[in-house]
Amino acid sequence: QKEVEQDPGPLSVPEGAIVSLNCTYSNSAFQYFMWYRQYSRKGPELLMYTYSSGNKEDGRFTAQVDKSSKYISLFIRDSQPSDSATYLCAIPSSGGSYIPTFGRGTSLIVHP
Amino acid sequence: ETGVTQSPTHLIKTRGQQVTLRCSSQSGHNTVSWYQQALGQGPQFIFQYYREEENGRGNFPPRFSGLQFPNYSSELNVNALELDDSALYLCASSFGTGGLGNTIYFGEGSWLTVV
Repeated sequence: QKEVEQDPGPLSVPEGAIVSLNCTYSNSAFQYFMWYRQYSRKGPELLMYTYSSGNKEDGRFTAQVDKSSKYISLFIRDSQPSDSATYLCAIPSSGGSYIPTFGRGTSLIVHP
Repeated sequence: ETGVTQSPTHLIKTRGQQVTLRCSSQSGHNTVSWYQQALGQGPQFIFQYYREEENGRGNFPPRFSGLQFPNYSSELNVNALELDDSALYLCASSFGTGGLGNTIYFGEGSWLTVV
């Protein structure tokens, strides 16, 4: 079982829609979760991180962690065509370091 | 722009050859990590260098090796190239080896095609 699993999509939504991106993870000891965004032909960039459980909001983006089900989510409100990218969830690698271990990413397409 | 620069941006090699990829870290950063990203997959951690010493390694064979220089720039070397080595190779820099909120910054990567 992979440490973090993510549906590759693609997920296609109209502009203005609320987008929900999800990952599951295997190790219940993880307490730190990250979301990266990767535009085509670019390197990933850190979008948000959350520690422990609950929600964290940053503008149109909300990251949510449900530790009981080992499920992490990223919500995008009022999605824009500029949000079209691949979204990667990441957890710290085993052993306590903060080197991110990535899911395979979900491709999001927001069409006008 | 993250300040992390990689070269070359694209290259084509033949199976069995060797390749060297280069990375200049962001100013002030002393840690460099290398990742391999196959098409349609997430980045896979290869290894990390901190102050010129290897500080962690992923599940990659010894023919993947690296180096960090006193100015904290880095090289990734791959010997005996295989077709499955075709991927985007990403370099990321940070200050320190990681920690809560310690952001790593990725370059735009080097696209390697092995034929």
